[in-house]
Amino acid sequence: AQKVTQAQTEISVVEKEDVTLDCVYETRDTTYYLFWYKQPPSGELVFLIRRNSFDEQNEISGRYSWNFQKSTSSFNFTITASQVVDSAVYFCALTDDNAGNMLTFGGGTRLMVKP
Amino acid sequence: KAGVTQTPRYLIKTRGQQVTLSCSPISGHRSVSWYQQTPGQGLQFLFEYFSETQRNKGNFPGRFSGRQFSNSRSEMNVSTLELGDSALYLCASRGTSGSYEQYFGPGTRLTVT
Repeated sequence: AQKVTQAQTEISVVEKEDVTLDCVYETRDTTYYLFWYKQPPSGELVFLIRRNSFDEQNEISGRYSWNFQKSTSSFNFTITASQVVDSAVYFCALTDDNAGNMLTFGGGTRLMVKP
Repeated sequence: KAGVTQTPRYLIKTRGQQVTLSCSPISGHRSVSWYQQTPGQGLQFLFEYFSETQRNKGNFPGRFSGRQFSNSRSEMNVSTLELGDSALYLCASRGTSGSYEQYFGPGTRLTVT
């Protein structure tokens, strides 16, 4: 069975601080896919990134960066120089070839960035 | 390309009634998945449709059903509504094989009174 754990339920930072959102996953499959989604107050889940299990290269996109470590089954997300617009709930999710399109989500981390 | 659209955005129903929610995927996407989001249970997978066939189903009672039309639009139906069915229902569409990204719509917020 798959499982995604986001231990931080809520994080509060002041604007311009860096913040890291943790994600730990469990799966028995050797081929799997990890995702991060952002959910602003409007409710829509916004796709941020997908990482394949066979590609451990870290990725940076502007102020966002992701650290994928298979050895610790973690896929952490860092926002550099946070902004108020980053305030949202962030979800980490997992699927594999057997699960098809079924995403298993973590519980989410609510990030509040204060001015 | 237009994104995933869901109608209606908000709905209030009474216990025992039934409800139908609609989802139009991104043009060209043939896979549609439905998720239920509640404060207590988080985001849970309901089912997935591809080319008008249900391909996968989550652990929900038979009161939850869905279908997909030839134009890939999908509907989900909940019969005999219970208070616990109050939730945000999210629809997601996925593109070609090999691309695992799912793109979500704005959701339908269902309140059962």
